[in-house]
Amino acid sequence: GDSVTQMEGPVTLSEEACLTINCTYTATGYPSLFWYVQYPGEGLQLLLKATKADDKGSNKGFEATYRKETTSFHLEKGSVQVSDSAVYFCALSDMVTGGGNKLTFGTGTQLKVEL
Amino acid sequence: DGGITQSPKYLFRKEGQNVTLSCEQNLNHDAMYWYRQDPGQGLRLIYYSQIVNDFQKGDIAEGYSVSREKKESFPLTVTSAQKNPTAFYLCASSTVGVGGYTFGSGTRLTVV
Repeated sequence: GDSVTQMEGPVTLSEEACLTINCTYTATGYPSLFWYVQYPGEGLQLLLKATKADDKGSNKGFEATYRKETTSFHLEKGSVQVSDSAVYFCALSDMVTGGGNKLTFGTGTQLKVEL
Repeated sequence: DGGITQSPKYLFRKEGQNVTLSCEQNLNHDAMYWYRQDPGQGLRLIYYSQIVNDFQKGDIAEGYSVSREKKESFPLTVTSAQKNPTAFYLCASSTVGVGGYTFGSGTRLTVV
């Protein structure tokens, strides 16, 4: 079945440092890929997405490129802020019978940004 | 504003009692989902529904039940058969087709 593997946390960075959170996937079809962010005590918010190979999703300074040849979708940001501290989830979406879609999530990576 | 509402935010129950978590959306989404979140395990799919009066089991459906009588509503019942019910429960919705979800803010259930 489909699966998503992302690097374990916590990742601790100083403000203005570069961020990379690795994400690789296994899927039988051609999934769409997503990054979600979760702040403490809240639900998940969509951060960015890519729907086909070589697409780059970007939002709020974060970006990720859908690499089919390496089955990866790594999240990057050039300069993190304290407000970026959260848990980040990589996910893939594939079709299910009936026309719907099912999201499969990685285990999440906690990011802590310190002054 | 359109969105997805889960209530209550915190819920405490005694062991052996059934409890129902509410999820309502006004996004006109056809599909709705329930996930369970435990520390270090990411999100696991409990049930999903793509259309009114129809739903399918996810990866961890045992001890849970759902109904989908209205497009807007997808309540989850945690039954006494669920061996370890204490967790953070997230409801989500989406349009049919490949796309992302909109999540509610979650219900933290504690069974004592």
